[in-house]
Amino acid sequence: KAGVTQTPRYLIKTRGQQVTLSCSPISGHRSVSWYQQTPGQGLQFLFEYFSETQRNKGNFPGRFSGRQFSNSRSEMNVSTLELGDSALYLCASSFAGTGLEAFFGQGTRLTVV
Amino acid sequence: QKEVEQNSGPLSVPEGAIASLNCTYSDRGSQSFFWYRQYSGKSPELIMSIYSNGDKEDGRFTAQLNKASQYVSLLIRDSQPSDSATYLCAVNIPNRDDKIIFGKGTRLHILP
Repeated sequence: KAGVTQTPRYLIKTRGQQVTLSCSPISGHRSVSWYQQTPGQGLQFLFEYFSETQRNKGNFPGRFSGRQFSNSRSEMNVSTLELGDSALYLCASSFAGTGLEAFFGQGTRLTVV
Repeated sequence: QKEVEQNSGPLSVPEGAIASLNCTYSDRGSQSFFWYRQYSGKSPELIMSIYSNGDKEDGRFTAQLNKASQYVSLLIRDSQPSDSATYLCAVNIPNRDDKIIFGKGTRLHILP
């Protein structure tokens, strides 16, 4: 059974640009959650999508957005990139939601210069 | 009070000994508790989940949950150098739309 797949693995962007990250969950999983991980802040919850609807949202500015498609694949978009957005972005898939076991992808390492 | 708290470590444990990792949480309504292991440069890997008070054993790992004390722990028996990693505790927060909140993790170092 394939795991959670995130693309791309690495990205370098310039301040002010926007970026889109992709996450394909484990087959059959309908929930995708996104996290930002930085050395100082640890794993910070961004949002969760379930059946194409955003069900939970963390405390991030509106520059961070996402969506989920009918096949459960999810994308996360960050607009007007700032240096502080440099982080490892992780997505996790779960069968039914955030109360159940979640499995992480390998992450996308974003560097903003 | 932080929602999920862990001692950041590093926790140094001799090879073959028992490593004990602790986590406290603030929301009395939390029902789901998870332990993840994260090697440097890698993504978190789920190693244990626990939903009821008491102990849950899986191989060398035992998760312990005490909801009255709002405390969850992970014991690693017969510690191996390959257990050296950061261990993340995660808890669902019912009064925040059931989000899963992670602690900042405890760095564990197994001394050969």
